[in-house]
Amino acid sequence: EAGVTQFPSHSVIEKGQTVTLRCDPISGHDNLYWYRRVMGKEIKFLLHFVKESKQDESGMPNNRFLAERTGGTYSTLKVQPAELEDSGVYFCASSQADYGYTFGSGTRLTVV
Amino acid sequence: GNSVTQMEGPVTLSEEAFLTINCTYTATGYPSLFWYVQYPGEGLQLLLKATKADDKGSNKGFEATYRKETTSFHLEKGSVQVSDSAVYFCALSDPASGTYKYIFGTGTRLKVLA
Repeated sequence: EAGVTQFPSHSVIEKGQTVTLRCDPISGHDNLYWYRRVMGKEIKFLLHFVKESKQDESGMPNNRFLAERTGGTYSTLKVQPAELEDSGVYFCASSQADYGYTFGSGTRLTVV
Repeated sequence: GNSVTQMEGPVTLSEEAFLTINCTYTATGYPSLFWYVQYPGEGLQLLLKATKADDKGSNKGFEATYRKETTSFHLEKGSVQVSDSAVYFCALSDPASGTYKYIFGTGTRLKVLA
């Protein structure tokens, strides 16, 4: 079974630019989560999809962040325009039911 | 609100030493507790979990016991190996909140020297 795939693995962009992160969950997993870890701090929840619907987006920091999940399959997280404080590692996870997340390797975003 | 506090690292140990990484939590309900591990260059992997008080999670020689009276879930291993070098995250999930999102601690980096 393929795991959760995220790409790119690394991205370096300038402040003010746009970046799109992608997550391919495990096939058949209805639940998809985005988390991020900023500057060695705790990993924080961003949002939760159930299929293509946003179940909980309480962790999205502001309206510069836009998440979508096309047809209940892969998901994208767009940051536009990027700011310095958006630098960090963005993790995606998927699950079939309640617990038992499978995490991806993460995307390290650096905004300069 | 719910929160997780874990000891700051880095923790540096010699091979075969005993490991303890402290984790305490605050929760309004009856959360499930988890330890995740991130090896260099890899994603987060579930190491162990416990879903109710006095449960002990164990895996790969690691153990943690859900202590409701002390609101703790400390991670222990009797004899660490170089391959255990990684970042360890304590986390909770509280279904009573209506969601399965996790609340993580800040992570503790472990370095084991040969």
